[in-house]
Amino acid sequence: DVKVTQSSRYLVKRTGEKVFLECVQDMDHENMFWYRQDPGLGLRLIYFSYDVKMKEKGDIPEGYSVSREKKERFSLILESASTNQTSMYLCASTPPRQGAVQPQHFGDGTRLSIL
Amino acid sequence: GQNIDQPTEMTATEGAIVQINCTYQTSGFNGLFWYQQHAGEAPTFLSYNVLDGLEEKGRFSSFLSRSKGYSYLLLKELQMKDSASYLCAVRGTGFQKLVFGTGTRLLVSP
Repeated sequence: DVKVTQSSRYLVKRTGEKVFLECVQDMDHENMFWYRQDPGLGLRLIYFSYDVKMKEKGDIPEGYSVSREKKERFSLILESASTNQTSMYLCASTPPRQGAVQPQHFGDGTRLSIL
Repeated sequence: GQNIDQPTEMTATEGAIVQINCTYQTSGFNGLFWYQQHAGEAPTFLSYNVLDGLEEKGRFSSFLSRSKGYSYLLLKELQMKDSASYLCAVRGTGFQKLVFGTGTRLLVSP
């Protein structure tokens, strides 16, 4: 079974802080994703990565950056946290299999509150 | 643009059948996924359709019509544990990216 692990289930930070959310997968997947989930808005893609040191902007990258130094780990960084970044953050991964579409496997999520 | 529509909320009775609809308009199409998400938990994969027709998997079935931009998830013999949000997601022609609908919250009552 694929295991996607997010470092924290709950996190409380203050405005202006630099915040790191960590995600690790144990299935040697090339593709990793960061989403945020808000009521009435669904899951929105922040950033994704298809290989080590590679990253692509998703639909809402403003205020965020990412780091992929190792294949198994994908970090989301809030450069200067703001209250509108209070949300549930979900990490996902999938292998790249050509000619087939693999479902994304999600971590349990990090509920982040910015005060 | 990309747009995926699902009803916000549905209610049904234990033992009944419920159909959750999803319509989509996306730039390209390369598969549609359904996920189940219980409150406070991660989404879990339920089904995948890339060709027109019905895919059956136990009590759950999913249907796709690409010409109509339409899918539905059918849940039979509803159980209380089926109370959850159901997310419709479409993969376009881009890289493994998914576009998600806002989800349908299903409440199953005794």
